[in-house]
Amino acid sequence: ETGVTQSPTHLIKTRGQQVTLRCSSQSGHNTVSWYQQALGQGPQFIFQYYREEENGRGNFPPRFSGLQFPNYSSELNVNALELDDSALYLCASSAGSRETQYFGPGTRLLVL
Amino acid sequence: DQQVKQNSPSLSVQEGRISILNCDYTNSMFDYFLWYKKYPAEGPTFLISISSIKDKNEDGRFTVFLNKSAKHLSLHIVPSQPGDSAVYFCAASAVGGSARQLTFGSGTQLTVLP
Repeated sequence: ETGVTQSPTHLIKTRGQQVTLRCSSQSGHNTVSWYQQALGQGPQFIFQYYREEENGRGNFPPRFSGLQFPNYSSELNVNALELDDSALYLCASSAGSRETQYFGPGTRLLVL
Repeated sequence: DQQVKQNSPSLSVQEGRISILNCDYTNSMFDYFLWYKKYPAEGPTFLISISSIKDKNEDGRFTVFLNKSAKHLSLHIVPSQPGDSAVYFCAASAVGGSARQLTFGSGTQLTVLP
């Protein structure tokens, strides 16, 4: 059984650019959630996708957007990058929108 | 406003002894609590969870206790092993809409000394 995978592992961008992060959910999981973890803090919920629809969103601006595909993989897009967007971005999948979430290894984004 | 708090940034324990990690929450709507372990350069790994209708859940060396009146939960690891050294996150969620969003504490770095 394949776990949650994310790509790329590391990324460096400059302020104002756009970035796309990718996530493949664990086999049998139809729900993907995205989290942002700043240094020294716990992960913060960005949004969740269930059956290709956004069904929950945290306190993040609209320049954070996402997609879920029919195979349940997902993308996180961030437009107009700011220095404070530098963080570890974690994807988690679950077998339903209310089930235990299992995390991928994360993508570390550095915005210069 | 931190709804989930882990007040101890770090904890050191001797191998073979008990590790107790604590977590407090403020939102009385939380009904499901989880503990995750995180090694450097890896994502959080699910350890154990507990529903608010229970006060204890055990899985091998790991036991989670929930005190709803005090809005407090703790993770006990017995016996502690050097491989348990990691950052431990407490997370909580509430029934609300169709998504179960996790709210995390800031983590506790556990070091188990050989």
